[in-house]
Amino acid sequence: DAGITQSPRHKVTETGTPVTLRCHQTENHRYMYWYRQDPGHGLRLIHYSYGVKDTDKGEVSDGYSVSRSKTEDFLLTLESATSSQTSVYFCAISRYDEAFFGQGTRLTVV
Amino acid sequence: GDSVTQMEGPVTLSEEAFLTINCTYTATGYPSLFWYVQYPGEGLQLLLKATKADDKGSNKGFEATYRKETTSFHLEKGSVQVSDSAVYFCALRRNAGNMLTFGGGTRLMVKP
Repeated sequence: DAGITQSPRHKVTETGTPVTLRCHQTENHRYMYWYRQDPGHGLRLIHYSYGVKDTDKGEVSDGYSVSRSKTEDFLLTLESATSSQTSVYFCAISRYDEAFFGQGTRLTVV
Repeated sequence: GDSVTQMEGPVTLSEEAFLTINCTYTATGYPSLFWYVQYPGEGLQLLLKATKADDKGSNKGFEATYRKETTSFHLEKGSVQVSDSAVYFCALRRNAGNMLTFGGGTRLMVKP
């Protein structure tokens, strides 16, 4: 257990509304990641962070933004949610050469 | 860019059967290779890993060998149990950013 907490665990939102997902870690790891999981696609990287205020885009970053103002928190924002962003979102940290994942947030955009 | 291809599921086996889940990869350089497992309603957990060619990762009766000549990292288990029912993901990591690239996942269902 790497002390990763995601919130909320489940959310239903309407198309066009902003949504923020939170990832909190307790171990001060430098690298944090946001992935989305969709059937047949495995996990795809949305954004990642390599330190406070240091972030970069992943494979599927369009429509998403992130912020990291403190080491322990990494926020993922959907500026204007669309149905294509219905997915399960996972936060992860990197410790040595191993990745540890949160339990996921199931987001449904209706 | 990097990519991982694994066999599509679901794979349905009877208890005590032999398991193979194929995984091949495309990457420059010498990536590290991983198998992750996801039980229902949970996040991913590292199952095993291998960091260089010919390394064998093993854990909980599962094994996989890093084959650079065939760019493969197939997952095997000699005798599966009902409790092994889960989704298995093959992944690779190059050092830059410690980011993982995942395959599409293979669902394993083991029947008593």
